[in-house]
Amino acid sequence: SQTIHQWPATLVQPVGSPLSLECTVEGTSNPNLYWYRQAAGRGLQLLFYSVGIGQISSEVPQNLSASRPQDRQFILSSKKLLLSDSGFYLCAWTLRGMNTEAFFGQGTRLTVV
Amino acid sequence: LAKTTQPISMDSYEGQEVNITCSHNNIATNDYITWYQQFPSQGPRFIIQGYKTKVTNEVASLFIPADRKSSTLSLPRVSLSDTAVYYCLVGEIALTGGGNKLTFGTGTQLKVEL
Repeated sequence: SQTIHQWPATLVQPVGSPLSLECTVEGTSNPNLYWYRQAAGRGLQLLFYSVGIGQISSEVPQNLSASRPQDRQFILSSKKLLLSDSGFYLCAWTLRGMNTEAFFGQGTRLTVV
Repeated sequence: LAKTTQPISMDSYEGQEVNITCSHNNIATNDYITWYQQFPSQGPRFIIQGYKTKVTNEVASLFIPADRKSSTLSLPRVSLSDTAVYYCLVGEIALTGGGNKLTFGTGTQLKVEL
């Protein structure tokens, strides 16, 4: 069966510090991968999606970046965090193609102080 | 790009049927309609997906009229545990590389009371 791992679960970081969130998927190959952010009481904002290794599409201009060094690994990074980067970050995957059934990780609660 | 519109919130009582309608006037021919449920501090969970007419699973039913410009998620006999945010998504073809962008809207906050 397929599983998705996302860590850490919670993170408190000072303004200006770097960020690295990692997401890995097991039990499938060539997934589409996604990073979302959810501010408190708000909907999900699509940040990045990837259809293959090294293929990253960015949805929102910001100080975040994403990388996909391996087929089932998706990393969200920042060189210098802003207060506005606080939120609930979610990684998700779907089967390759136009599939709309997504499976989400448990999320990372990031607080920038 | 197909955009969705849903009510911001709905209230119901245990045992009632709840219908949440989503408008997607610009839906494309190849687009599927998908609904998700999200509890606080958790990722969304897939509920149901359909293309036209009616789809039913163990959790919900999805009604899609012939013009496909709207869809209705029906939750039979809701309970307190159905209190959550419900999102309607319409397939959005990525501009490059294929795949589906999966853009979520603001969703509908359903509150179920005793």
